[in-house]
Amino acid sequence: NAGVMQNPRHLVRRRGQEARLRCSPMKGHSHVYWYRQLPEEGLKFMVYLQKENIIDESGMPKERFSAEFPKEGPSILRIQQVVRGDSAAYFCASSPATGTRSYNEQFFGPGTRLTVL
Amino acid sequence: AQSVTQPDIHITVSEGASLELRCNYSYGATPYLFWYVQSPGQGLQLLLKYFSGDTLVQGIKGFEAEFKRSQSSFNLRKPSVHWSDAAEYFCAVGAGSQGNLIFGKGTKLSVKP
Repeated sequence: NAGVMQNPRHLVRRRGQEARLRCSPMKGHSHVYWYRQLPEEGLKFMVYLQKENIIDESGMPKERFSAEFPKEGPSILRIQQVVRGDSAAYFCASSPATGTRSYNEQFFGPGTRLTVL
Repeated sequence: AQSVTQPDIHITVSEGASLELRCNYSYGATPYLFWYVQSPGQGLQLLLKYFSGDTLVQGIKGFEAEFKRSQSSFNLRKPSVHWSDAAEYFCAVGAGSQGNLIFGKGTKLSVKP
């Protein structure tokens, strides 16, 4: 059973370009979370998605960032007009459907390291 | 607001020595607590988790953690550290039913021979 997959593992962009980060959850998982890790910092929650729905985007910057999790295919985190401050590691995690009284463990991917020149 | 504090940024221990990494949380309800380990350039691997029940939790790789509600702590311990344990360790709390995690800033562990 393959784990959470992210690609690319490393991405270099120049200021003003677009960055697209992809995440394929574990088989059978319908929930996806995106986190950002800045140097010397812990992970910060960005967005939580289920298939075709954004459940919680309270951690997403208001501009330039968007996320989707279509019915078919991977979840995409899109950063438009990147700036140097966007340089970070972006991690995706997935979990199975949440029960009414349970809390589900999140399984993390290897991350995408974005460098903005 | 919910938060997680890991007071130690960097810890160095000798191989074979015992280890304790500190974690304090601030959360209004009964927390879901986690410890993750991250090797350089890698993703996060779950070491152990606390949801309810026994406050002493056993994890992988010989790690354990104890939930102490009175101290709002969830410290990670290992009786004898191996060189392969050198990594960064993150404590996290599950923030409500939506499931997103709040992480501490991490503790980097170095192991000397």
